[in-house]
Amino acid sequence: NAGVTQTPKFQVLKTGQSMTLQCAQDMNHNSMYWYRQDPGMGLRLIYYSASEGTTDKGEVPNGYNVSRLNKREFSLRLESAAPSQTSVYFCASSDSGRAERSNEQFFGPGTRLTVL
Amino acid sequence: GENVEQHPSTLSVQEGDSAVIKCTYSDSASNYFPWYKQELGKRPQLIIDIRSNVGEKKDQRIAVTLNKTAKHFSLHITETQPEDSAVYFCAATDPYTGGFKTIFGAGTRLFVKA
Repeated sequence: NAGVTQTPKFQVLKTGQSMTLQCAQDMNHNSMYWYRQDPGMGLRLIYYSASEGTTDKGEVPNGYNVSRLNKREFSLRLESAAPSQTSVYFCASSDSGRAERSNEQFFGPGTRLTVL
Repeated sequence: GENVEQHPSTLSVQEGDSAVIKCTYSDSASNYFPWYKQELGKRPQLIIDIRSNVGEKKDQRIAVTLNKTAKHFSLHITETQPEDSAVYFCAATDPYTGGFKTIFGAGTRLFVKA
């Protein structure tokens, strides 16, 4: 099993450009998440999808959109990138509800995004 | 909404010593508190978690304690080893979102000196 995969690994954008970060999981998890990680600020939740067909805002949703394409895939879109969106982006998934450790989140390898 | 504060931001210990990281949370209804470890350049990984109906949980050299009255929880690492050097994040889940919304602390960078 690959677990949680993300593409691309690195990306450089110019201000105003758009792009989509892709995430997929092969663990049959119900819930998926997008975080951004900035130095000294830990992980901040951008959006989450509790189950297929639902998405909800996290702590810092402004400037982002998401799509839960199916149970496996959850994408994050930047419509008009800004330098403040320079960060490392992590996707995660969790089982949610069926086991003692169902709340454990499994993270992807991350995407390092730079906006110039 | 939930807010999680974590201290210290940096911790340096000698190999073999113990390390303690403390976190406080704001929402008394929060009921799940995981700890994640992130090695340099790697993804975060769960190392231990505790639910609000338990006061302490131990897994080999690591333990977590929870004080619901004071709304704080701590990570204890005993007999530290160089491979324990990493950033540690505490977190609390927002119960009003069914536990899906996880709020992380800012992290503690632990250095274990050989």
